[in-house]
Amino acid sequence: GAGVSQSPSNKVTEKGKDVELRCDPISGHTALYWYRQRLGQGLEFLIYFQGNSAPDKSGLPSDRFSAERTGESVSTLTIQRTQQEDSAVYLCASGRAGLYNEQFFGPGTRLTVL
Amino acid sequence: RKEVEQDPGPFNVPEGATVAFNCTYSNSASQSFFWYRQDCRKEPKLLMSVYSSGNEDGRFTAQLNRASQYISLLIRDSKLSDSATYLCVVVVSDSWGKLQFGAGTQVVVTP
Repeated sequence: GAGVSQSPSNKVTEKGKDVELRCDPISGHTALYWYRQRLGQGLEFLIYFQGNSAPDKSGLPSDRFSAERTGESVSTLTIQRTQQEDSAVYLCASGRAGLYNEQFFGPGTRLTVL
Repeated sequence: RKEVEQDPGPFNVPEGATVAFNCTYSNSASQSFFWYRQDCRKEPKLLMSVYSSGNEDGRFTAQLNRASQYISLLIRDSKLSDSATYLCVVVVSDSWGKLQFGAGTQVVVTP
């Protein structure tokens, strides 16, 4: 079946512009995560959605970052007034609820802020 | 202190050799554990879950030591294709399934 998809695959923007990144999770997956990975670095947790519960936003680095999820489907990550340090690969993952279920990652969006 | 810690490596391993490395976690309420593999410039993919009794999948063996709060991964008969970064993942029981990732251990298998 279809995996997690993300769009765009690459995004180049100018400093100060807003960007919106999209994630389409696997159908039926109630858990959805956003991560950031800078070049040569580990995964940095951003935000976690679980069903209809309030999202865990504890990883968002600043108020320029926000994310929404419509029910148990598409999620968008918005970065306002982008800065050069926002340049990274943004990864989305989805999974079934529960402690023992794996998460499946999308291919990521590579964001470059000039 | 980070909640999940890994030796970043790199572990340089001759082809055919065995390599093993650990991951330590700080939260004793951690409930489930995974190893993910990430190839260069690719997304992470699940390698294996780690069960309480330890488990084996082909050349890969994962073990859990709750008393000392670490998990391990052993790769036997290393292949060139095993070169990757191995990410340790921990799920805490009171976190609704939120994953906590280590920064990864790089393994380089050489001919």
